[in-house]
Amino acid sequence: GEDVEQSLFLSVREGDSSVINCTYTDSSSTYLYWYKQEPGAGLQLLTYIFSNMDMKQDQRLTVLLNKKDKHLSLRIADTQTGDSAIYFCAAGGRGANNLFFGTGTRLTVIP
Amino acid sequence: SQTIHQWPATLVQPVGSPLSLECTVEGTSNPNLYWYRQAAGRGLQLLFYSVGIGQISSEVPQNLSASRPQDRQFILSSKKLLLSDSGFYLCAWSDHRDNYGYTFGSGTRLTVV
Repeated sequence: GEDVEQSLFLSVREGDSSVINCTYTDSSSTYLYWYKQEPGAGLQLLTYIFSNMDMKQDQRLTVLLNKKDKHLSLRIADTQTGDSAIYFCAAGGRGANNLFFGTGTRLTVIP
Repeated sequence: SQTIHQWPATLVQPVGSPLSLECTVEGTSNPNLYWYRQAAGRGLQLLFYSVGIGQISSEVPQNLSASRPQDRQFILSSKKLLLSDSGFYLCAWSDHRDNYGYTFGSGTRLTVV
């Protein structure tokens, strides 16, 4: 399987930008995802990027992929208190049971 | 559109009692189905996955079992719960044709007392 690693915690002030980082080990991973989990809820797919892309922007979210370093990041611009949640990075390919999740980064937004 | 339902949302069970959690998917056929457990404040642990009716793969040895009696139904069971079975259980599905990401249910909070 693949190892996907994230830092466990991140705190930012409301209005600042948040950057959540993720590294993975399998260079053949073709799909990379960011999920958001609010307290007591399931995981919600936020955004994804294919391995042939370097960047994807979707409103306040920017995903950067450095395929050489196997590094993925999620930038949230103008972070709001509603962005407080656990963010999971996931990497993998096609087929069943071929998606591997990081441990999640708990983002705390300070008012 | 596809939807995934998971119930119950919350469950408190005594040690030694049985368990049955159910997950159903609508709007798709032959999905890949998954059961994950999330211990308090921790990441996801894949427990079981299934690529078809009656086909169950177990990722970790444990006190739990899974079954897929119908194409879009996935059940997580235990004959006798342990305290260590407490956690947040998540069901998920993916499309067998392309497996573009997983869609998760809303989760079941299980507390074994």
